[in-house]
Amino acid sequence: GAVVSQHPSRVICKSGTSVKIECRSLDFQATTMFWYRQFPKQSLMLMATSNEGSKATYEQGVEKDKFLINHASLTLSTLTVTSAHPEDSSFYICSARDQGNRYEQYFGPGTRLTVT
Amino acid sequence: GESVGLHLPTLSVQEGDNSIINCAYSNSASDYFIWYKQESGKGPQFIIDIRSNMDKRQGQRVTVLLNKTVKHLSLQIAATQPGDSAVYFCAESRDSGNTPLVFGKGTRLSVIA
Repeated sequence: GAVVSQHPSRVICKSGTSVKIECRSLDFQATTMFWYRQFPKQSLMLMATSNEGSKATYEQGVEKDKFLINHASLTLSTLTVTSAHPEDSSFYICSARDQGNRYEQYFGPGTRLTVT
Repeated sequence: GESVGLHLPTLSVQEGDNSIINCAYSNSASDYFIWYKQESGKGPQFIIDIRSNMDKRQGQRVTVLLNKTVKHLSLQIAATQPGDSAVYFCAESRDSGNTPLVFGKGTRLSVIA
């Protein structure tokens, strides 16, 4: 089956620093990837839609200058949390839509970000 | 605003019994629905999906029912096993799945051995 990986799986950083999270589709091409944030005991909240070769579309309330998204290839999207603060601590999950099957979205294993 | 919600936040079932997890959606334009299973510290795992032109779909030990009249979705798990313990989310999409998924609040399923 289709596999999506994320790196790193866990990261701890100091307040004020930036952190980059990678999302890769391993065995399929994804023109569209999605970034979600999940706080403890809550549901997944869509942050942005990442489109290969174009600017990401951010959901209302998500700061595009703080959460930088780059989708430079059909298999890689990156999310950079800039000037991270403790309130950015969360579980970040990406998903990728198979270019050959527009219904299917495959989720990555998530990245646990802790900002101290 | 648009929302996809659940009637029961927690559900405890005996091992071997059947489980039913419910979900209500508010957007009548939604035409694609998915159930996901999420274990602690992991990403969502696809269970089963259904399109709006169907009212029932069966998988291995799972069945999804869609009632468009009352905008209700359910996931039935037969012979629930300890490995089924997780949080289950329904998600909906429009335009034949082209719009981003909107997730419901989730139901935690606990299987009692």
